[in-house]
Amino acid sequence: DGGITQSPKYLFRKEGQNVTLSCEQNLNHDAMYWYRQDPGQGLRLIYYSQIVNDFQKGDIAEGYSVSREKKESFPLTVTSAQKNPTAFYLCAIHGGSMNTEAFFGQGTRLTVV
Amino acid sequence: AQSVTQPDIHITVSEGASLELRCNYSYGATPYLFWYVQSPGQGLQLLLKYFSGDTLVQGIKGFEAEFKRSQSSFNLRKPSVHWSDAAEYFCAVFLWGVDSSYKLIFGSGTRLLVRP
Repeated sequence: DGGITQSPKYLFRKEGQNVTLSCEQNLNHDAMYWYRQDPGQGLRLIYYSQIVNDFQKGDIAEGYSVSREKKESFPLTVTSAQKNPTAFYLCAIHGGSMNTEAFFGQGTRLTVV
Repeated sequence: AQSVTQPDIHITVSEGASLELRCNYSYGATPYLFWYVQSPGQGLQLLLKYFSGDTLVQGIKGFEAEFKRSQSSFNLRKPSVHWSDAAEYFCAVFLWGVDSSYKLIFGSGTRLLVRP
């Protein structure tokens, strides 16, 4: 929201396939984050990046990969190694006072069929 | 370890009634605390935040929250709930890493249902 674009909104994947979720921002913020959301579990951090060409694993990075080749883009690849990929994925940037506030995209719902 | 607990998974209130959503945190220093709201299938929107100073903070949509250090709590309140407040609410604490990285830790959320 407010300059953070996630695409597609809905995504279907066959088991065994990799799939890439897009997150683009035009707010010129350094820090970008990927979260996974499952019912009753809140948001869990997958990966984050605070500068181009650098990123860190979050709490549930296994089965996921990211890249940060450009400041405005932080794509997330869900690999076939992710055993339970069906979830709602949210991308966020940090801004506001001391970069403490998260601003979220609209999310991508991934379903494995 | 730092954590955020929202003990209520679901809460149902009647329209016009008051609301309090509970949030407890575990953090060694003075926390930066947030409440976010999420409508179904959407991203999260910031309701309010606490950094320091006045322990009662006002947010958007008529919400407020009170920071109580002695109870490690940051409960969200609204005096009169509207049907449009039905959503999921998340409490979060901001963390600084030793490498100057930073991130938010979220609670598991509370889903608010509003009875007509």
